[in-house]
Formats: sequence, C-alpha cells, structure tokens
Amino acid sequence: DAKTTQPTSMDCAEGRAANLPCNHSTISGNEYVYWYRQIHSQGPQYIIHGLKNNETNEMASLIITEDRKSSTLILPHATLRDTAVYYCIVYLSGGTSYGKLTFGQGTILTVHP
Amino acid sequence: KAGVTQTPRYLIKTRGQQVTLSCSPISGHRSVSWYQQTPGQGLQFLFEYFSETQRNKGNFPGRFSGRQFSNSRSEMNVSTLELGDSALYLCASSQGQGEGEKLFFGSGTQLSVL
Repeated sequence: DAKTTQPTSMDCAEGRAANLPCNHSTISGNEYVYWYRQIHSQGPQYIIHGLKNNETNEMASLIITEDRKSSTLILPHATLRDTAVYYCIVYLSGGTSYGKLTFGQGTILTVHP
Repeated sequence: KAGVTQTPRYLIKTRGQQVTLSCSPISGHRSVSWYQQTPGQGLQFLFEYFSETQRNKGNFPGRFSGRQFSNSRSEMNVSTLELGDSALYLCASSQGQGEGEKLFFGSGTQLSVL
C-alpha cells in the first residue's frame, strides 16, 4: 500500500504557481520523499526528491515540513505542458527495497489557459 | 546520455502466447526495475535486477519472469498470456547502490492481449 496521501485532482492557471500537497505521516527517518509525474501513456518522469531539507532544481521546489510528515511540490510557473499525474512517493533505496517504488493514485494536475 | 530505451513500443498478442520485452538502461546504470501499469491497479512493481541477479520481486505469478545480461540490459518474459496481462510495461534504471537514488523510466511497452 502507498504510504502517501494526495488530493485526487487540482487545477491551476497557466503562469501561476502550482502547489501540490502530500501527506506521509508514517515516513521513517531514513526514507526520502520523491516526486514523479506521468503524462498520459508515457513513463513516469523524475522531478525532485529530498530527505529533510527543502530542495530546488530547474523543474520544481520541494518543501518538507520539519516533522517530515508532509511535503509540498511547487511548480513556480505552471504551463500547459505541466498537465499530468503527479506522484508523491516515500522510498529508501537499499536492502529489499531497491527499485521498488510504491505508487499511489497521485494527483491529476490540470493547467488551464 | 541516452535515456532508458524499451522495445517494442507496442505489441499485440493472443491468449496463451508468450512475450519478451526488452529494456536498455542508461549507460553506467546497473539496476533495472520492471513495473506493470493498468487502469485498475495503477503502477505495480514486478522485479528488480542488479548485476544479473534478481534482488527484489513483487507479488506477481511465476508466469512473469525476467533476466539481466552482463551489459545491464534486461528482458522480461510473460508466458501463457491472459487478457488481464494487457498493460503498459515500464522499466526503470538506476545505479543500484546507495541511498537517495533516482530511478529513470523508459516510455514503456504497451501490450495488448486479444
């Protein structure tokens, strides 16, 4: 079972910031928070990941609360091409978990003109 | 670097047949994972290979198998196909060591079983 809870769907206006929340209250101390997105019939695309600190890359920012029980993915200036299903995943690569991402239902983000 | 390459992109088979799908990982990556995606079950983990050895396995019947070659390329095989095996099959590659790894996915093989 997925260890995360995300809203089923969200809307965002083009050019505005998209803030996608994720709850992961049972996250263990060494698990990372990952975000992937999937555009219809394509493979999931890696966006960003983090352990404790906030992270930023060319695609997005990841804000993780101090207690690590929730996080927010921020797309600073959403475009129509950002319309996709966004998955929040907690994952620790190691031991019996290598390569085993547990995907939930994700959030369908629709960016409107 | 080239991304993860999966072939073929589309495949149509009939019940009872078997099928082999191929995945070429990103150069330097030694781990390959396989996933099945269906509308009803979403993305589900099949198995993971590292240095030609299966390290992890999901909850799928023995009809689903895989292997990895010395150049890290991987194949998965489904025998005695059933209608319910119709799905998008995805592979992902990573270095396969250490914490905080990123997995990179291919575009998948869309399998239709008639």
